[in-house]
Amino acid sequence: QLQLQESGPGLVKPSETLSLTCTVSGGSISSRNFYWGWIRQPPGKGLEWIGTIYYSGSTYYNLSLKGRLTISLDTSKNQFSLKLTSVTAADTAVYYCMRVNVLTSGAYDSWGQGTLVTVSS
Amino acid sequence: DIQLTQSPSSLSASVGDRVTITCRASHNINMYLNWYQQKPGKAPTLLIYAASSLQSGVPSRFSGSGSGTDFSLTIGSLQPEDFATYYCLQSYSTAGTFGQGTKVEFK
Repeated sequence: QLQLQESGPGLVKPSETLSLTCTVSGGSISSRNFYWGWIRQPPGKGLEWIGTIYYSGSTYYNLSLKGRLTISLDTSKNQFSLKLTSVTAADTAVYYCMRVNVLTSGAYDSWGQGTLVTVSS
Repeated sequence: DIQLTQSPSSLSASVGDRVTITCRASHNINMYLNWYQQKPGKAPTLLIYAASSLQSGVPSRFSGSGSGTDFSLTIGSLQPEDFATYYCLQSYSTAGTFGQGTKVEFK
């Protein structure tokens, strides 16, 4: 049974860097059939795709966040990470890590439980 | 960017009702359209992938149809556990986009 678990600080100060890690268990992030990524949801609002990474290291970022965003893999730990720099209150959201399944037309078929990150001084 | 327009934004229904939600894409996305259910405080769960394929473990009262730019999700007979918010997602582009969501409320 695949499980994804987000971890990281729940409170980040404005202008600082938001860092989250997703630990994957029950499956390998090195599989060719999957991409791995991040979604966020501001309180009371809809879902926004942040970015995706492939086992090869290829990355795809939301253009609205490009320049502030880095997604990386650590295959030795079966983890992938998100770093978002120069955060503002607009970055306050629940952040989800997820798996993109190539075999089901790119559907995001597994999600972490989500972690709330608040940007505030 | 591919935009998805979901409608309605909310609806009121009763247990046993047949409910249909639509999603329109700004470009042809073939069948790269997926549907999710989200309950308060929980992560979204995949219901339908590739427009009409039922995800494993999802009740058969959920069905999806469409291709190209017009898609729909139908709940055949609404159950109490189905009151939630539903989102469509296009996976035609690596840059995924979601619809705005449809909240299904109890009438």
